[in-house]
Amino acid sequence: DGGITQSPKYLFRKEGQNVTLSCEQNLNHDAMYWYRQDPGQGLRLIYYSQIVNDFQKGDIAEGYSVSREKKESFPLTVTSAQKNPTAFYLCASSGGDFGEDTQYFGPGTRLTVL
Amino acid sequence: AQRVTQPEKLLSVFKGAPVELKCNYSYSGSPELFWYVQYSRQRLQLLLRHISRESIKGFTADLNKGETSFHLKKPFAQEEDSAMYYCALKDSTLTFGKGTMLLVSP
Repeated sequence: DGGITQSPKYLFRKEGQNVTLSCEQNLNHDAMYWYRQDPGQGLRLIYYSQIVNDFQKGDIAEGYSVSREKKESFPLTVTSAQKNPTAFYLCASSGGDFGEDTQYFGPGTRLTVL
Repeated sequence: AQRVTQPEKLLSVFKGAPVELKCNYSYSGSPELFWYVQYSRQRLQLLLRHISRESIKGFTADLNKGETSFHLKKPFAQEEDSAMYYCALKDSTLTFGKGTMLLVSP
């Protein structure tokens, strides 16, 4: 199903390497979000963007970077500065024609640092 | 700072038993609260929101401002209800609780 997609599903990275996770949506949503999901920690917000060319840090932005050059796309880069990058990453979007509040989630990317 | 607390990591019940997933919040304004659910191998999705006051899949949740709670309830649990449930509070962004895994056994 479309809507909001993330790629790849699984990603492996060596220590010291940067890696970029893709998030695309065709829902015409203005806002997009990146979360990190760890067992027993729930979802923690990394970055969010409420409009193109603008984004804000979430609760755990250190070691991550984002860009929002297009409405449909919100890629997340996990840099080598992120001390514990192995996790499940979720992208979400909200807004558009049918309401602002509900966030729609992608299927996630599982990143493993070797 | 806003906070969402889900005190139970795991809740295990038998099919047909009542279910209550607890959620408490800390927020200085008028809260907007949500329950999201993640079934096995599926995406995280909205279950219900307190504003709409609706029942979804037999679940209801009532906002109790006095007790700062938004507990999720269902009178008779089904096996297909087994999932991870997250309570969330909206300000400029969503703040999620740590989640409760509901396991419904036959």
